[in-house]
Amino acid sequence: DTGVSQDPRHKITKRGQNVTFRCDPISEHNRLYWYRQTLGQGPEFLTYFQNEAQLEKSRLLSDRFSAERPKGSFSTLEIQRTEQGDSAMYLCASSTEVGWLAGVGETQYFGPGTRLLVL
Amino acid sequence: QQQVKQSPQSLIVQKGGISIINCAYENTAFDYFPWYQQFPGKGPALLIAIRPDVSEKKEGRFTISFNKSAKQFSLHIMDSQPGDSATYFCAARRSQGNLIFGKGTKLSVKP
Repeated sequence: DTGVSQDPRHKITKRGQNVTFRCDPISEHNRLYWYRQTLGQGPEFLTYFQNEAQLEKSRLLSDRFSAERPKGSFSTLEIQRTEQGDSAMYLCASSTEVGWLAGVGETQYFGPGTRLLVL
Repeated sequence: QQQVKQSPQSLIVQKGGISIINCAYENTAFDYFPWYQQFPGKGPALLIAIRPDVSEKKEGRFTISFNKSAKQFSLHIMDSQPGDSATYFCAARRSQGNLIFGKGTKLSVKP
């Protein structure tokens, strides 16, 4: 078990370019979340998948953002026409409802994040 | 509207002292309250968590106290160590599953 992995770890891009990030969850975790974290703030929810179905999207997820999880395993987050305000750490987390059903609680395991800088 | 309010924003504690971080929430539909620890350049890591039907949970030097009627919960770190220096986030889980985080507390433990 290697934990949640994210790629790339750092990305510098120019305003107006498109970027894509990848998240590989812990194997057998059917839930996958994307969060965004800016400096000095807590993570903010962007979107959530259960298996391959995207069940919820935050109002923070503008139409320039799209996320996919085509086979219910890894996920990608794409930002089109990046803006300087998109500069942030993009975090992925995965979980399984097994703990929740057992009364323990749903632990979300976070990856190391992708730090995006838009110039 | 900030649904989870965390205080203090920063905290300095001497080695061996007790660190206390407080959080308050508004939505009574929250059903799970984790605390995460984050080091610079890393993702948040779960420290300890509690469900609202429990008033206290202890794991090693870390304790969560939960007051359902006041809609408040707190993290106590006993015998604080320099290695505990990090940013701590409280969070609350919505029924749909995503977490709502506080703004974080930067803890510095002085040797």
